[in-house]
Amino acid sequence: TQLLEQSPQFLSIQEGENLTVYCNSSSVFSSLQWYRQEPGEGPVLLVTVVTGGEVKKLKRLTFQFGDARKDSSLHITAAQTGDTGLYLCAGAGGGGSEKLVFGKGTKLTVNP
Amino acid sequence: NAGVTQTPKFRILKIGQSMTLQCTQDMNHNYMYWYRQDPGMGLKLIYYSVGAGITDKGEVPNGYNVSRSTTEDFPLRLELAAPSQTSVYFCASSPRGGRYGELFFGEGSRLTVL
Repeated sequence: TQLLEQSPQFLSIQEGENLTVYCNSSSVFSSLQWYRQEPGEGPVLLVTVVTGGEVKKLKRLTFQFGDARKDSSLHITAAQTGDTGLYLCAGAGGGGSEKLVFGKGTKLTVNP
Repeated sequence: NAGVTQTPKFRILKIGQSMTLQCTQDMNHNYMYWYRQDPGMGLKLIYYSVGAGITDKGEVPNGYNVSRSTTEDFPLRLELAAPSQTSVYFCASSPRGGRYGELFFGEGSRLTVL
């Protein structure tokens, strides 16, 4: 069974600070996605990374896929209160599997 | 601009009752999924479908059934509800499948079994 471990589980910071959250596994994934979920809503896709070592930037968010395609990180620069939410990583297995495996998430709170 | 629509949003069931959670998407996506989300546990895949007439089990299929008679609809049936099925259920659809991400989620259905 493929597992994704996310850390930290909870993170509370002040507006303007930088932060990094991690998504790690002992398994290789063909792709990895990051989602953000707000209370009472479904997750919303932020990014998909496919190539080992890939770095993608989305405004203040930087996503990196590990060289071995087993881990990923999300870095937020100058966090804003609107970044508050649950950040979930999800990995797709090899062989074109349809079964996305989700991590338990990092709950981020950005205080004004 | 509906996307993925789930009904009902909230439901309370008694132990042993049955019900169907409805899911409809208007994006003509072939791939559809049902997940459950328990507090602090992330999302677990219950069932998925790669097209009309085709369904397959996910990680936690026991106690559930699905059907996919049309591209648009993917209902989830709970038979003989148990307290362990208390959860928030999310339906999702995708144009190209899980490997490419791009899952579009509904707003969820919160189910409580007492």
